[in-house]
Amino acid sequence: DIQMTQSPSSLSASVGDRVTITCRASQGISKYLAWFQQKPGKAPKSLIYDASGLQSGVPSKFSGSGSGTDFTLTISSLQPEDFATYYCQQYNSFPITFGQGTRLEIK
Amino acid sequence: QVHLVQSGAEVKKPGASVKVSCKASGYTFTSYYMHWARQAPGQGLEWMGIINPSGVATSYAQKFQGRVTLTRDTSTSTVYMDLSSLRSEDTAMYYCARGFGRAVAGIDHWGQGTLVTVSS
Repeated sequence: DIQMTQSPSSLSASVGDRVTITCRASQGISKYLAWFQQKPGKAPKSLIYDASGLQSGVPSKFSGSGSGTDFTLTISSLQPEDFATYYCQQYNSFPITFGQGTRLEIK
Repeated sequence: QVHLVQSGAEVKKPGASVKVSCKASGYTFTSYYMHWARQAPGQGLEWMGIINPSGVATSYAQKFQGRVTLTRDTSTSTVYMDLSSLRSEDTAMYYCARGFGRAVAGIDHWGQGTLVTVSS
């Protein structure tokens, strides 16, 4: 199975900050990397597909990059509604696997 | 507008089975895959399996092989996840999620989740 490792596991930031979350795959996954946002008590929401594609309706403050084994999610100009847990996911091969999550908290 | 509406919360005893439904609307049901994933309390997301648009082929995570079955009913645009031999560790929120693209599909929309509690 492909292991997905996110860093950091948690992150404190202020409103207006720009933050970057990293996801590393244990083997190459080409561009098949997605990012999801999850708020407490809610279902995940899809943000990014194919490493850098923005899902419909997702604001351009969210951006993704990378290929192969190293990927990043960047969120610019943090707003209160952006504080949540973020997960990466690989869909290069079965079984599909998720990162452990990065909790983004207000400083 | 895509909607995935899941069935209500379930409480089951150890050893029992549970069947969770996911009713799709707002798109051509037979053109997309459907994933299932779960999330234990306070934990991360765990992928369980996927059913393809034709409903013939499925793929399951090794961990759930032999215990999980995914099926679909095109007449009602509903996908079902059946999990058997339940144990306390299966207590979790279960999600369906629409898959797009190739066989190892990406996810674009999620259901609201169904809480399954396994307790004696």
